[in-house]
Parts: sequence; C-alpha cells; structure tokens
Amino acid sequence: DIVMTQSPTSMSISLGDRVTMNCKASQSVGSNVDWYQQKTGQSPKLLIFKASNRCTGVPDRFTGSGSGTDFTFTISTMQAEDLAVYSCMQSNSYPFTFGSGTKLEIK
Amino acid sequence: EVQLVESGGGLVQPGSSLKLSCVASGFTFNNHNMHWIRQAPKTGLEWLALIYSDGSHNYYADSVKGRFTISRDNSKNTLYLEMNSLRSEDTAMYYCAKWGKRSNYYYTLDAWGQGTSVTVSS
Repeated sequence: DIVMTQSPTSMSISLGDRVTMNCKASQSVGSNVDWYQQKTGQSPKLLIFKASNRCTGVPDRFTGSGSGTDFTFTISTMQAEDLAVYSCMQSNSYPFTFGSGTKLEIK
Repeated sequence: EVQLVESGGGLVQPGSSLKLSCVASGFTFNNHNMHWIRQAPKTGLEWLALIYSDGSHNYYADSVKGRFTISRDNSKNTLYLEMNSLRSEDTAMYYCAKWGKRSNYYYTLDAWGQGTSVTVSS
C-alpha cells in the first residue's frame, strides 16, 4: 500500500499567516493527489484535485502543488473560517490512502 | 444538489453484524462508482471499499476484506455496506462518497455524506 506521510500534524497559527503543509508518498503517485478540508462535526470537502486544481468556488488563497512523491498545500492568508483539519489522499492505486491530517489551530 | 445520506449505524457488540445504507440524490446514481470511507475517533480517514457503477467490480482495504461487503441497488439509488464480525477497532464514523469527474480523465471523491456512527463495544 502507498503510505501518505503528512506533516505537520498540527499547526498553531495567527489569522493572516501563510500556512503550508506537506504530503510525501512512499512511491510515485503522479499527480493523483487531492486535498480535503474537514471542519469540526462535518464531512470532508474536496478543495484541490489532481494536485493543483482548485474546485469551483474554492477561494484562490488555497493552492496545491507537486507531483511524483512530494505535494504541498498552502493557504496564502489564513482566515478564521479556514480552521479545520486538512488531509491529502492518493487515488493513483488501490487501496486509496490518506495522510493523517493537519489540524489548524489559532495561536 | 448532490445529496448522500447514510444510515444504519449504532452501538453493537463485538462479533455482531450491521448493514449501513447510503441514499443518493441529485445525480444519476447508476453512472457513478461509489466508495465507503471511515474515520475512527481522533484519527485520520481510511478508505474501505469501492463498487463500480454497474456493480460489476469492487475493491476492499485489507483491514475489512472478507468481513465487509459493498453492494448497491441502482433501482433504489442506494449504496450498502454489510459489516460482519465487527471488532472494537471498527468503531468509527462511516461515510459514503461519490466518485465524480473533475476534468478530462480525472475522477475523485467529489461529494460525501454526513456519515453514520458505528460503535463496537460490549
């Protein structure tokens, strides 16, 4: 199985900060990585697909990049409504696997 | 609007069985592969199973292979997950998700239900 190692596990940040998190795949997954946002008590919501493509309606402060084994998700300017857990997922091969998630907290 | 509504969760004893349902609306259900994903308390997401749009193929995570069965009834727009020999480590929120096209040749889990909670405890 492909292991998605996500870092950091949590981040304590201030509003307006730039936020960057990473996912590293144990083997190449091409660009077949998606990023999900999960707010407390809610189901995951797709934000970024195919490594770098923003879903319709997702603010442009959210960006994704990477290919192969290394992927990055960035929030350019942290807003209060962005408090959530963010997870990567590879869909290159079965079983699909998720990163362990990055929890954003306000400092 | 795409809607996925799971049901069937609850508190069950170890070794018992449970069948989850996911009713879909707002899209052509029989055109889409469907998945089950779970999230144990305080942990990350775990993909469990996939079923093709016509029910012809399915895939499972090793953790549930042989114990869980994914199925669907396209006439009822409903996805199922039958869970047998339940263990304490199966305690989780269970989500169904739609496999949707996002761009040419690229599909992903583009819509999720709100989840149904399963607790396995004596």
